[in-house]
Amino acid sequence: EPEVTQTPSHQVTQMGQEVILRCVPISNHLYFYWYRQILGQKVEFLVSFYNNEISEKSEIFDDQFSVERPDGSNFTLKIRSTKLEDSAMYFCASSADLETQYFGPGTRLLVL
Amino acid sequence: GENVEQHPSTLSVQEGDSAVIKCTYSDSASNYFPWYKQELGKRPQLIIDIRSNVGEKKDQRIAVTLNKTAKHFSLHITETQPEDSAVYFCAASIQAGNQFYFGTGTSLTVIP
Repeated sequence: EPEVTQTPSHQVTQMGQEVILRCVPISNHLYFYWYRQILGQKVEFLVSFYNNEISEKSEIFDDQFSVERPDGSNFTLKIRSTKLEDSAMYFCASSADLETQYFGPGTRLLVL
Repeated sequence: GENVEQHPSTLSVQEGDSAVIKCTYSDSASNYFPWYKQELGKRPQLIIDIRSNVGEKKDQRIAVTLNKTAKHFSLHITETQPEDSAVYFCAASIQAGNQFYFGTGTSLTVIP
């Protein structure tokens, strides 16, 4: 069964550094999402992406964040200048039907 | 925006007993309610979902009920097994393709 994949599984970075989190959505899906989960808290929406543009974004998704679909398979989340509070698990999700979202295994980001 | 509350935060049941997890939502426009199961270190997996035009849906030992008037929905697991032990998240979506608003999660432990 096709699954969403994410790399890396873990990322440690220094505050102020840029990080890029990568996702490969399920191949026939057209809708893509990023969520994050700070340890012990609920999963929070960051951004959704369709037809090569952002569909919706949350207050968390400020100018430090950007998303890109650089080719036909990858979907990336970039954090330009990481802050301590960006430490979280980041989940990518994709959907074929605008309802069911399939989640990747997550990237655990630790900002020191 | 939408606010989803989930209770209880932890739940322990004896193997074979039933488990019930409850969620409430605030926005009457929400029309899609998925439930995800997340085992330790793994991705959230969709286990069942319900749409606002349906009051109940069942899939083997798992069922979900929705009360639109009261704005709450519940997950019912019957004949629980140790492998049901995981964190369960409810979510609500206002419009197809839009973000999911997640509950805070319920850690279910099934005691053999």
